[in-house]
Amino acid sequence: GQQLNQSPQSMFIQEGEDVSMNCTSSSIFNTWLWYKQDPGEGPVLLIALYKAGELTSNGRLTAQFGITRKDSFLNISASIPSDVGIYFCAVIGDTGTASKLTFGTGTRLQVTL
Amino acid sequence: DTGVSQDPRHKITKRGQNVTFRCDPISEHNRLYWYRQTLGQGPEFLTYFQNEAQLEKSRLLSDRFSAERPKGSFSTLEIQRTEQGDSAMYLCASSPTHGTSLYEQYFGPGTRLTVT
Repeated sequence: GQQLNQSPQSMFIQEGEDVSMNCTSSSIFNTWLWYKQDPGEGPVLLIALYKAGELTSNGRLTAQFGITRKDSFLNISASIPSDVGIYFCAVIGDTGTASKLTFGTGTRLQVTL
Repeated sequence: DTGVSQDPRHKITKRGQNVTFRCDPISEHNRLYWYRQTLGQGPEFLTYFQNEAQLEKSRLLSDRFSAERPKGSFSTLEIQRTEQGDSAMYLCASSPTHGTSLYEQYFGPGTRLTVT
């Protein structure tokens, strides 16, 4: 089935550093989403991407939809302690019906002071 | 707060018991989704509704699972004869029906089920 691979699997960074993570697929998808999940909570939508090559920002977060439509990148600038959590990429499985999301394997981010 | 809400947040039950979870979506959203998430994994799709119609079900949704959305507003997910393998976080999400934002699913806080 569809599989989204995220890297790195986990990362420790210092407060103030910039963070970069990516998500790749063997299949083409036309919609990519990035979510953040805190422990014991549901995922929170960060950014949605709809066009290949598109670069979209949300505060300190910037995401890019790869030109091949098989990957996406998320960057966080000047990280702060509340950025800790698990970041998931997700794609829409069937844009015709816009039903299920397929999630990636996740990148766990930990920020040290 | 007009976000997605779920009840209960936590449920501990003994194997073989039935459990029911409730989800209230964002009020103007016609689509409602259920996902299951096990430890260390991303959420996995179970089923979704447009208004009161259940339009798709995953292979993960065994015959012990049933979901309803009788009036097109809140939804319930029932698990009968629970098994230890059912222990997971059950997440509900909703989205609008039209426009590009129909692809944007907003999640509730989840119900954590523990089967002992």
